[in-house]
Amino acid sequence: GQNIDQPTEMTATEGAIVQINCTYQTSGFNGLFWYQQHAGEAPTFLSYNVLDGLEEKGRFSSFLSRSKGYSYLLLKELQMKDSASYLCAVRPSNYQLIWGAGTKLIIKP
Amino acid sequence: EAGVAQSPRYKIIEKRQSVAFWCNPISGHATLYWYQQILGQGPKLLIQFQNNGVVDDSQLPKDRFSAERLKGVDSTLKIQPAKLEDSAVYLCASSLEGGAGQPQHFGDGTRLSIL
Repeated sequence: GQNIDQPTEMTATEGAIVQINCTYQTSGFNGLFWYQQHAGEAPTFLSYNVLDGLEEKGRFSSFLSRSKGYSYLLLKELQMKDSASYLCAVRPSNYQLIWGAGTKLIIKP
Repeated sequence: EAGVAQSPRYKIIEKRQSVAFWCNPISGHATLYWYQQILGQGPKLLIQFQNNGVVDDSQLPKDRFSAERLKGVDSTLKIQPAKLEDSAVYLCASSLEGGAGQPQHFGDGTRLSIL
């Protein structure tokens, strides 16, 4: 079967750094997405990784290791507005997208 | 550019009634998706269209759910009859094409409550 695992919930402090992990087992691999979803809102696209390594976009970075079936999303200089769920999604094929259950991130002052 | 439009935002119906949701994707986006998202879970794909053809409807409960995308633009998703377990947020998304690196852009969703 195809499976994506993420921690259910994480807590971090404003101004700190947090790393959200995602592990996957899929029949193929054509890329991995990270999305942010605030409560009651739609998911919004954060990043896409298809090659191994780190992609940096401002305060957010995403890392991929295809051999380990592993990715992480790194959030720096946390702000209260970063409180949201973070969804990892994998493309086993060109048209399929498998979604994780999401990690709820709680930021405390 | 205008985003994905969905209506209604909220809907409350009784079980065994029918309901329909509408979606207008971003202009020029060939691929359209309908997802069901239950609280605390990731989105579950119900159906994917490429233009007006169905690419994947393997998780669509076809005995009660139907969807169409006439003319390859707007789409409607219907549930008839509704069950209690259908209470969820129904999200529509679109992308330029179904290719690997294209992100999906989501509408605000319809929150459906079944009484």
